[in-house]
Amino acid sequence: GIQVEQSPPDLILQEGANSTLRCNFSDSVNNLQWFHQNPWGQLINLFYIPSGTKQNGRLSATTVATERYSLLYISSSQTTDSGVYFCAVPKAYNTDKLIFGTGTRLQVFP
Amino acid sequence: DAGVTQSPTHLIKTRGQQVTLRCSPKSGHDTVSWYQQALGQGPQFIFQYYEEEERQRGNFPDRFSGHQFPNYSSELNVNALLLGDSALYLCASSLEAGGVTDTQYFGPGTRLTVL
Repeated sequence: GIQVEQSPPDLILQEGANSTLRCNFSDSVNNLQWFHQNPWGQLINLFYIPSGTKQNGRLSATTVATERYSLLYISSSQTTDSGVYFCAVPKAYNTDKLIFGTGTRLQVFP
Repeated sequence: DAGVTQSPTHLIKTRGQQVTLRCSPKSGHDTVSWYQQALGQGPQFIFQYYEEEERQRGNFPDRFSGHQFPNYSSELNVNALLLGDSALYLCASSLEAGGVTDTQYFGPGTRLTVL
């Protein structure tokens, strides 16, 4: 089945720093989502980005489907950005069954 | 616009017991998926319900079963609980759109502890 790997596994930043999180997937996909899981376990949708680039405030994401990777950029990080970031792709075309990556744990210190 | 809701938020059971978790999808959504997230791992797909039927299933034993009601809400039942069933159980909802995958929205989860 499709494999989804994220890097780095852990990231420690000081407030105000920028960071790039990477998601690699082993097969073609027609959908990719980025999530932020806060310390209370809530998974929050960040981006639905099968291809191209999207921006939302301090966050932006780029998916290069032909090269099977996606990047999540966090600029001017804040302590509230702390948590685990997951990318997820469908197991196969036309399925809602999401396969989640290994996650990147981000800690932002003041 | 009501998001995905789940109940209860926390639950403690003992081995061998049975548990029922509940989920109400986001307003306007008709498809519910359930995921299990063990500590330190990403969510794992359990199954999905659409039109009151199980449509897809992950690699989980028959002890895990579910149901979807006419109002699109859903229940997850786990029988004969094992210690390894301790996890955060997440419900996600989406809108079926002619077979095209759509954005899934997740609820806050139910944290199940099996002693």
